[in-house]
Amino acid sequence: DVKVTQSSRYLVKRTGEKVFLECVQDMDHENMFWYRQDPGLGLRLIYFSYDVKMKEKGDIPEGYSVSREKKERFSLILESASTNQTSMYLCASTGPTGAGQETQYFGPGTRLLVL
Amino acid sequence: QKEVEQNSGPLSVPEGAIASLNCTYSDRGSQSFFWYRQYSGKSPELIMFIYSNGDKEDGRFTAQLNKASQYVSLLIRDSQPSDSATYLCAALSNFGNEKLTFGTGTRLTIIP
Repeated sequence: DVKVTQSSRYLVKRTGEKVFLECVQDMDHENMFWYRQDPGLGLRLIYFSYDVKMKEKGDIPEGYSVSREKKERFSLILESASTNQTSMYLCASTGPTGAGQETQYFGPGTRLLVL
Repeated sequence: QKEVEQNSGPLSVPEGAIASLNCTYSDRGSQSFFWYRQYSGKSPELIMFIYSNGDKEDGRFTAQLNKASQYVSLLIRDSQPSDSATYLCAALSNFGNEKLTFGTGTRLTIIP
């Protein structure tokens, strides 16, 4: 079974703090993704990575950065947290295209509250 | 802008009946389609994926794809209260980077 883990389930931070969210997958997947999910807006892609040290912006990258130093780990960084970044953050990973390997498997999510 | 549209619901279905969830997509280049189930406060979990026109069955679930009409559906037979959740439809458009476009989800409630 694919396992995607996230470093925290719940996090409370103050405005202006630097926040690190970590995601680890154990299936040797090339592709990893960070989403945020807000009521009525669905899942929105922040950043994704298709290889170590490679990253691409998603639909809403502003205020975020990412790091992928190892294949299994993909970190999301909020450089200076703001209240509008209060959200559920979901990490996902997937293998290469073909025979369902592109299925995205999600971590349990991190619910972040910025005060 | 590539879009995946779902009726947000809520959709209420009596226990034991068939629940029908629908999804349309705008990008004709979309190749693969996925249905995820998400319980409140939890992360999405995959139910089914489908590539080819027609029906694909897995237990009580049937996914249907019509590429000409750009339409995907999920049927849940013999609905159970445990099926109450939000169902997300997603489309894969660009082979090579595995980016999914998600709909906003349909909230399904099964009434005992």
